[in-house]
Amino acid sequence: EAAVTQSPRSKVAVTGGKVTLSCHQTNNHDYMYWYRQDTGHGLRLIHYSYVADSTEKGDIPDGYKASRPSQENFSLILELASLSQTAVYFCASSDWGSAETLYFGSGTRLTVL
Amino acid sequence: LAKTTQPPSMEAYEGQEVNVSCSHTNIATSEYIYWYRQVPHQGPQFIIQGYKDYVVNEVASLFISADRKLSTLSLPWVSLRDAAVYYCIVTDMNYAQGLTFGLGTRVSVFP
Repeated sequence: EAAVTQSPRSKVAVTGGKVTLSCHQTNNHDYMYWYRQDTGHGLRLIHYSYVADSTEKGDIPDGYKASRPSQENFSLILELASLSQTAVYFCASSDWGSAETLYFGSGTRLTVL
Repeated sequence: LAKTTQPPSMEAYEGQEVNVSCSHTNIATSEYIYWYRQVPHQGPQFIIQGYKDYVVNEVASLFISADRKLSTLSLPWVSLRDAAVYYCIVTDMNYAQGLTFGLGTRVSVFP
């Protein structure tokens, strides 16, 4: 069974603080993704990566950085957290970018105060 | 312009069949139709995919119109566990830049 693990499950951060969300996959997948989900907006792609040490911008990358230090790990970094970044964040991995092999983690609920 | 259009919500009782429609009038010949579902507090999960005609697996069945502009996901004998948001996605089979999820269809199931 494909596995994507996110940490933490939830986090409260202060405005202007730095936040790091972590994702670990044991699927041996090359592709990894970060999405955010807000009520009324569905899931929106922030960053993705198809190989270690390389990241690509998704549809809404502003205010976020990503890091892919290894095939298994993919982090999302909010250098200066803002109220508007309160959302649920999902990490996913995919085998060679296949649309039917996209496996998601359980999400991280981030609240910025 | 949205690639797919789905009803925002549907309701059913346990044991009923639920049919969720998806309109994709501008689907390209290279594109496939994928359905994902998301239950509360979890990420979306792949259900089924198809290109044309009829596809069935252990979870659901998918009917695609002859002109491929409309597809219908059928969930037989729904239970409370089938309450979720169902997403219809149209894309090439290999889409490395990430899938685009719309708002989906929220299916509510009542006992």
